[in-house]
Amino acid sequence: QSVLTQPPSVSAAPGQKVTISCSGSSSNIGNNYVSWYQQLPGTAPKLLIYDNNKRPSGIPDRFSGSKSGTSATLGITGLQTGDEADYYCGTWDSSLSEGWVFGGGTKLTVL
Amino acid sequence: QVQLVESGGGLVKPGGSLRLSCAASGFTFSDYYMSWIRQAPGKGLEWVSYISSSGSTIYYADSVKGRFTISRDNAKNSLYLQMNSLRAEDTAVYYCARDYMDVWGKGTTVTVSS
Repeated sequence: QSVLTQPPSVSAAPGQKVTISCSGSSSNIGNNYVSWYQQLPGTAPKLLIYDNNKRPSGIPDRFSGSKSGTSATLGITGLQTGDEADYYCGTWDSSLSEGWVFGGGTKLTVL
Repeated sequence: QVQLVESGGGLVKPGGSLRLSCAASGFTFSDYYMSWIRQAPGKGLEWVSYISSSGSTIYYADSVKGRFTISRDNAKNSLYLQMNSLRAEDTAVYYCARDYMDVWGKGTTVTVSS
């Protein structure tokens, strides 16, 4: 059971938009920055979004992030078949067991 | 270019030990905190441990506390994970990552099995 809650899967057609939610609590998302990672099949994860809504260089503006209270959202517009991957949210958790926490991951299928 | 390369994975029996290494290049290693993250077969990402840039601050996941030890050698641009008392549930691909995980290595596979 992950500390951060993500939907197990989402799907949409090419060209469409999809959002992936990440729900946490005041000890993690509520008081810390959120990052999002993309993991293509058989590869290492890659940073997509950091500090809630910033994109590293090289990440297209089709990817966006937002945060409100204890929840965060990853948005992907203009879906491409190459976007099929697992997506994870992550943040620092300042509870008794302090450390980094990830969501359980969301499998994106581009139909 | 900025790169992280893990090594040291392999097959080990339950109760055994293994030491993972992560070689960093292309950036000033001593400026960054580092983490180990693992992924069991078919499962999601699990953060394992964090070490500050100087090595003075360390955190562990509850699942490895008391069994794993993270360390670094800034002179050698290297990060380490000493894993003792290994269990079947430690079987995973182990990744090292920089800072807020903006750079990841390709991972090294650890299999704990008799």
